[in-house]
Amino acid sequence: GAVVSQHPSRVICKSGTSVKIECRSLDFQATTMFWYRQFPKQSLMLMATSNEGSKATYEQGVEKDKFLINHASLTLSTLTVTSAHPEDSSFYICSARDGQPQHFGDGTRLSIL
Amino acid sequence: GENVEQHPSTLSVQEGDSAVIKCTYSDSASNYFPWYKQELGKRPQLIIDIRSNVGEKKDQRIAVTLNKTAKHFSLHITETQPEDSAVYFCAASIKGGQNFVFGPGTRLSVLP
Repeated sequence: GAVVSQHPSRVICKSGTSVKIECRSLDFQATTMFWYRQFPKQSLMLMATSNEGSKATYEQGVEKDKFLINHASLTLSTLTVTSAHPEDSSFYICSARDGQPQHFGDGTRLSIL
Repeated sequence: GENVEQHPSTLSVQEGDSAVIKCTYSDSASNYFPWYKQELGKRPQLIIDIRSNVGEKKDQRIAVTLNKTAKHFSLHITETQPEDSAVYFCAASIKGGQNFVFGPGTRLSVLP
């Protein structure tokens, strides 16, 4: 089946650091990739949708200058949390699709000290 | 926009019993409804999905039913096992099927 790889799985860093998370589709070309944020015991909250070669579409309330998304190829999208602060600590999950359904990465647990 | 509600938020059943989780959606244009299972700290995994031209779909112990008129769909798990314990999310497609809106999730506990 379709595999989506997300890296790193866990990041712990100091406040003010920028953190880059990678999402790769390993055995298919993803026309669209999605970035979600998940708080403890809550549902998946869509942050942005990215299509290869074009600018990401951000959901209302998500700061695009804070969460930079680059979708450079059909198999790679990156999310950079710029100047991260403790309130950015969360579980970030990407997903990718080429048709239906979406396939999720393993997620990245980000902890900002 | 689309709004997906899911009930119950928590569900405990004895091993071997059935579990039913129900979702409702608001956008009549939604036409694809996947269900995901998420274990603690892990990725959501697709367990079953249904399209709007079908009323029911079954895969071994798991089944999904869809009532398009009433805009609700349900997940049925029979002969539950402890390894079925997880959080289950329903979702409904939006934006022509490009993305989903997820329900708030149901924490299922199967007691041995």
